Amino acid sequence: GENVEQHPSTLSVQEGDSAVIKCTYSDSASNYFPWYKQELGKRPQLIIDIRSNVGEKKDQRIAVTLNKTAKHFSLHITETQPEDSAVYFCAASVPTGSARQLTFGSGTQLTVLP
Amino acid sequence: NAGVTQTPKFRVLKTGQSMTLLCAQDMNHEYMYWYRQDPGMGLRLIHYSVGEGTTAKGEVPDGYNVSRLKKQNFLLGLESAAPSQTSVYFCASIKDTVIYNEQFFGPGTRLTVL
Repeated sequence: GENVEQHPSTLSVQEGDSAVIKCTYSDSASNYFPWYKQELGKRPQLIIDIRSNVGEKKDQRIAVTLNKTAKHFSLHITETQPEDSAVYFCAASVPTGSARQLTFGSGTQLTVLP
Repeated sequence: NAGVTQTPKFRVLKTGQSMTLLCAQDMNHEYMYWYRQDPGMGLRLIHYSVGEGTTAKGEVPDGYNVSRLKKQNFLLGLESAAPSQTSVYFCASIKDTVIYNEQFFGPGTRLTVL
């Protein structure tokens, strides 16, 4: 099955700096890559996603890049703010029949220092 | 529109006891999923359903059973709870997997097995 590795497990940045989180996946059939943000005690919420036919996608301060050849994708957050502090999860999805199963990375605890 | 809800929010069980977690969604979504979240391990898929009356195993199904008798409800059962099942359980749903990709998560159920 799919295996997703995520690095780093913890990341501290100064407010205003950029943060980058990287993930690799193993199954070349994966075609959908979402990123979820989870604040302490809350549910995961989708912040951005990318399909395998696109190399980069941007939404305001957040961007995701995908390298299908190397099987890795990254989350970039620019101009970080204290409210960006949370755990971020990457995921990869292989279509399985009619279902879409997500395999998650182990998460990155991002701390933005004021 | 309540989205995805879970009952109960917290529960403490003794080893060997049984319980059922309820997930309900009012968005008329076809696909529903049960995950468990453990520290440092991200979210892992337990079981999922692609429609009313159907269920399938995910990555970590042992010790759990599920039922989807009604489209809006997805139940997760623990027949004989074990301390290894102490975790936070999240339910999620998705409208379909062709056009829509975002999985909407419930608020979670924190289960402790003593």
